[in-house]
Amino acid sequence: NAGVMQNPRHLVRRRGQEARLRCSPMKGHSHVYWYRQLPEEGLKFMVYLQKENIIDESGMPKERFSAEFPKEGPSILRIQQVVRGDSAAYFCASSPRSALGYNEQFFGPGTRLTVL
Amino acid sequence: AQTVTQSQPEMSVQEAETVTLSCTYDTSESDYYLFWYKQPPSRQMILVIRQEAYKQQNATENRFSVNFQKAAKSFSLKISDSQLGDAAMYFCASTGGGADGLTFGKGTHLIIQP
Repeated sequence: NAGVMQNPRHLVRRRGQEARLRCSPMKGHSHVYWYRQLPEEGLKFMVYLQKENIIDESGMPKERFSAEFPKEGPSILRIQQVVRGDSAAYFCASSPRSALGYNEQFFGPGTRLTVL
Repeated sequence: AQTVTQSQPEMSVQEAETVTLSCTYDTSESDYYLFWYKQPPSRQMILVIRQEAYKQQNATENRFSVNFQKAAKSFSLKISDSQLGDAAMYFCASTGGGADGLTFGKGTHLIIQP
């Protein structure tokens, strides 16, 4: 049973370009979470999605960032017009049910985004 | 807002010794969960141990145990018989705080001296 998969593992973009980060949850998991880890920091929650629905985006920056989790295919975190401050590791986690109650989140290996 | 504080940026311990990592949190929730995650150099987040706030008994997983003091909002991790493979960043995290995601502390870098 494959774990949470993220690709690419490393992504380099120039300022102003778009970054697309993909996350395939574990088999049977319909809940996906995205987190951002800045250097020397812990992970910061960004968004929580179920299939075709954004449930909680309270941690998402208001501009340039968007996320989706379509009925088919991986979840996508999209960053438009990237700036140097977007350089970070982005982690995806999945769980079989809601985070409410005890439902472990299984983390992917992360995507390290570098903006030149 | 939910906050999780780890006051030890770095800790060092001799192999086979015991070390305790500190964590305090602040929440207005009555029901929540607390976690310790390990992040080795590979950056993969690995769940070490979890605690349900309504359970008074401290969680234990082999060499890892917690000291959960609910009134003090303290959740420390004890690692017994430290091994070289325990070297990593350790993050304390909690649920609750109005968002569905976990709230993480800034981490403690654990060094194991051979």
